[in-house]
Amino acid sequence: AQTVTQSQPEMSVQEAETVTLSCTYDTSESDYYLFWYKQPPSRQMILVIRQEAYKQQNATENRFSVNFQKAAKSFSLKISDSQLGDAAMYFCAYRGLIQGAQKLVFGQGTRLTINP
Amino acid sequence: DTEVTQTPKHLVMGMTNKKSLKCEQHMGHRAMYWYKQKAKKPPELMFVYSYEKLSINESVPSRFSPECPNSSLLNLHLHALQPEDSALYLCASSKPGQGAREQYFGPGTRLTVT
Repeated sequence: AQTVTQSQPEMSVQEAETVTLSCTYDTSESDYYLFWYKQPPSRQMILVIRQEAYKQQNATENRFSVNFQKAAKSFSLKISDSQLGDAAMYFCAYRGLIQGAQKLVFGQGTRLTINP
Repeated sequence: DTEVTQTPKHLVMGMTNKKSLKCEQHMGHRAMYWYKQKAKKPPELMFVYSYEKLSINESVPSRFSPECPNSSLLNLHLHALQPEDSALYLCASSKPGQGAREQYFGPGTRLTVT
């Protein structure tokens, strides 16, 4: 079974600084997807960034980028120029397939605080 | 339109009540999901529908009864719930199968069982 581990329950960063959130996972599959989702106090789960396992190039979305190390099964999220609106719970997620249907396995989450 | 809508936003029900949660999407997705999320915890998968057929039931108690009447709608019928069932219930949708990528989530229904 796949597992996802986020070892940082809480992180804080000064506004405009850079922060990195860690995630490791375990799987025996070779083809899969990894995601970072953001959940602000409004509760909506919002996709931040996606990484396909077969792609060696790290994904980037504006101020958000990942460091994907497939051999090490590591998938960290870097947020540059942090903004107050980035404050949220961040979940790392692994997408597997069971009986042809998607199953997302989430880490325990990292609560990110932005200090003005 | 990349929106998943859920109604109601909040629901308070007694242990003897019957209520339903509703989820709707118009993105043409043929896979839909129910998750349960307790405070300060990640979402936990409950059910998966693929092409309007139940494909995954994560050993959820029978007091939760899902229904997918068409490709745009997903319901969760609730009956004889317990206080520990109080949680945020999230709906999500995606394209089905291996080629699909991310799931799109609704804003959730905050359920309180008294």
